[in-house]
Parts: sequence; C-alpha cells; structure tokens
Amino acid sequence: DQQVKQNSPSLSVQEGRISILNCDYTNSMFDYFLWYKKYPAEGPTFLISISSIKDKNEDGRFTVFLNKSAKHLSLHIVPSQPGDSAVYFCAASKGGSEKLVFGKGTKLTVNP
Amino acid sequence: EPEVTQTPSHQVTQMGQEVILRCVPISNHLYFYWYRQILGQKVEFLVSFYNNEISEKSEIFDDQFSVERPDGSNFTLKIRSTKLEDSAMYFCASSDRLAAMEFFGPGTRLTVL
Repeated sequence: DQQVKQNSPSLSVQEGRISILNCDYTNSMFDYFLWYKKYPAEGPTFLISISSIKDKNEDGRFTVFLNKSAKHLSLHIVPSQPGDSAVYFCAASKGGSEKLVFGKGTKLTVNP
Repeated sequence: EPEVTQTPSHQVTQMGQEVILRCVPISNHLYFYWYRQILGQKVEFLVSFYNNEISEKSEIFDDQFSVERPDGSNFTLKIRSTKLEDSAMYFCASSDRLAAMEFFGPGTRLTVL
C-alpha cells in the first residue's frame, strides 16, 4: 500500500540548473509533509517541511510546493549544486499520528 | 548541534540470536521512533514511543521486537530471535513534539547470517 509515491527513482541535472523532485500521496488525511535528504551510510537529514494549510514554503535554495487538490508536492532546488547529489525522500504524517510514511526516494545527481 | 547517535554502526549476528540496537536521542526530545530500510527498499516505520510506552507500531513490529528506555538517555530496540529478513539499516529518530520534524540517527546496519 503505497500511500506516498515518488515515481522517479533517479534524476540528473546540471550544476546551476533547477532540480524538481516530485511526490504524490493518496491519503487525504495527511496534513504535514517533509523532505529528507540521505547520503550513503548516513541517516536521513531533514531538509524542509510544509503543513497542509500552506501551498509553499521556502528556505534558501529549497522550496516545497503543495497542491492539495492534486495530492502532489514537489521540491525545487535552485541553483543545484554537486553537493546536493543524494537520495531525497518525501514523507508525510497525519494529525494525531507520530509516524512518518516515506516514499521510496529519488536519487538526484547534480553534474558539475 | 544536537544529534541522535546510534551504536553499533554495524552488527553481524547469526539467525536466531538476540540483538539490541542502541540509540541516544536528542536530550530534550520526548518522542522516539525506530524505522528500518531493507536494502533497495523504502524507509519503513516500526514503532513510536512516548511517555515510557509504545504509542504506535506497524505490522512489522511483531512479538520478536521490543523497545525500552532503560534510563534517561538511551532508547533500545531488541530483536529476540533474528531472522534473515531482519537484515536492514535500522534508524532511530526523535522529535520534541507530536507530528513534528524528526531527527534521525546515522543508522545501524544489521546483517543476519
């Protein structure tokens, strides 16, 4: 039961360009969404989040957009840097529940 | 910057043996979690712990698993009789409030032979 889906297993972009990572969810009860970045042999690192009352949240080079009607969120990284190369996980939670439901991840490669 | 720590980084065990994975959450956090990631698969929730008891658990977290907060700082995951399919990265996480951002540890790689 894939409640959180990241349909692109990998993405490759040029340094300086925009990276757009997509995530879809099926459970309309989700009200909090997060993006985590993960390097090999390390735990997921929190990147940015958005609550369902917003449609955009920005933090430096990272912006998350939420389209509730489409049950879709995306992470934009502008400009992309080689150090951004990692696996990016979308995660969601619903009010009253503590657990995060993760997508399968998208491996981003930023080429110099 | 405060961080979640986990030991050991890699644990190798024989099938049927008991293992204990240890975590030290961030000191002022109240909610604690275990997740696992089988190689090539997604990160999966195992259990959450608050106020000295399990608050939520997944289907994966069966009777072979238990969690404990034996003192004020450690949070442990015990697998009583390991199976081959328990081989995975196990991540501990903590947060300071319900449904908030969770901070993850570096993980323990468990290999069951």
